[in-house]
Amino acid sequence: NAGVTQTPKFRILKIGQSMTLQCTQDMNHNYMYWYRQDPGMGLKLIYYSVGAGITDKGEVPNGYNVSRSTTEDFPLRLELAAPSQTSVYFCASGRGEGGYTFGSGTRLTVV
Amino acid sequence: GEDVEQSLFLSVREGDSSVINCTYTDSSSTYLYWYKQEPGAGLQLLTYIFSNMDMKQDQRLTVLLNKKDKHLSLRIADTQTGDSAIYFCAESKNTGGFKTIFGAGTRLFVKA
Repeated sequence: NAGVTQTPKFRILKIGQSMTLQCTQDMNHNYMYWYRQDPGMGLKLIYYSVGAGITDKGEVPNGYNVSRSTTEDFPLRLELAAPSQTSVYFCASGRGEGGYTFGSGTRLTVV
Repeated sequence: GEDVEQSLFLSVREGDSSVINCTYTDSSSTYLYWYKQEPGAGLQLLTYIFSNMDMKQDQRLTVLLNKKDKHLSLRIADTQTGDSAIYFCAESKNTGGFKTIFGAGTRLFVKA
């Protein structure tokens, strides 16, 4: 049972480039989330999904997009990368109550 | 708006008890959580408590909830060096996709 799998683990992007952060879960969870973690700032919610075909904005959605075509996959798209998007990105999934299962994160640097 | 606050650092000696404190602002929160993050890893759920409970114990972990003061604490008994990590307090409701609001995390140092 792999849980939540994120790829890549590390990435360096140049300003203006685009990329997709991949997230897959094998626990048949309906709820999936993308957070970013900045030093000393806790986690901020970017986007979330309550099921396949349904997505919604979180606290800091600007500069990002998501899709949820299947229950398992919830990719996060960065368009026109900016230095402010340098962060660690975590994907998580859950059934509602009972908390989340987190992936191991993607460390992104924009230079 | 909703907010979760916790102190940034705590240092204890091995074998002592650790108490990590947290306050939250949303009185309608339904679930309150403690997560642990080790270096280079994602967050791991330690335990959670429903808002209609006052206490929950799970082996070395004790969670206390004071709803009146919106105060949550995590006590770790017999703290070990392996407990050194960042501990996040978090809250969510059973509406709006169970979105969870996290505190900034408390870094626990355990001295041998």
